[in-house]
Amino acid sequence: KNQVEQSPQSLIILEGKNCTLQCNYTVSPFSNLRWYKQDTGRGPVSLTIMTFSENTKSNGRYTATLDADTKQSSLHITASQLSDSASYICVVSANSGGYNKLIFGAGTRLAVHP
Amino acid sequence: GAVVSQHPSRVICKSGTSVKIECRSLDFQATTMFWYRQFPKKSLMLMATSNEGSKATYEQGVEKDKFLINHASLTLSTLTVTSAHPEDSSFYICSARDASGGGYYGYTFGSGTRLTVV
Repeated sequence: KNQVEQSPQSLIILEGKNCTLQCNYTVSPFSNLRWYKQDTGRGPVSLTIMTFSENTKSNGRYTATLDADTKQSSLHITASQLSDSASYICVVSANSGGYNKLIFGAGTRLAVHP
Repeated sequence: GAVVSQHPSRVICKSGTSVKIECRSLDFQATTMFWYRQFPKKSLMLMATSNEGSKATYEQGVEKDKFLINHASLTLSTLTVTSAHPEDSSFYICSARDASGGGYYGYTFGSGTRLTVV
């Protein structure tokens, strides 16, 4: 069964600190892995996307890693800001019958406190 | 970059009435759009895949007569919640798929619609 599991479920950090969010997946056949940021009451916004051959991708203060062998990904946030408070969703794309099917993780709810 | 506009952002309706939600791709053509439902503190749940010019494909357990989807053009898909009931109250999000290059599709999400049925 295709699954995406994220940890921790929620996280509180102080402004300026770094944090790392985890994503483990069992998706086959794997196509790519995406991280999205979702502010409360808004739609998800893409942060990074990585294919099988990529093991790191950065977008400003966000750096995603991918280990396709262990089927793990992480999202590292550097020098956190209050505006980073949001849910971060790991989404794995699986090839299914000639098109891609998105498998969503439950998300990590990050709260950055001053 | 790709932009998807979803309207309205919030709607309150009475039980028994119907509500239409629009999803537009503003700067690209989307032959395929997706409709999701999201419960509080939960992740997105795919309801249906909307294909331009053909019938939508609904996920198991989603009533197609309850949630009508129309994708009449390459830039517009609509979701109509018919005979709405309080249990239909939720956050609905659309997504459009574009061929963003690099060997994979881009999935751009709308900003969501908060539906409250009273």
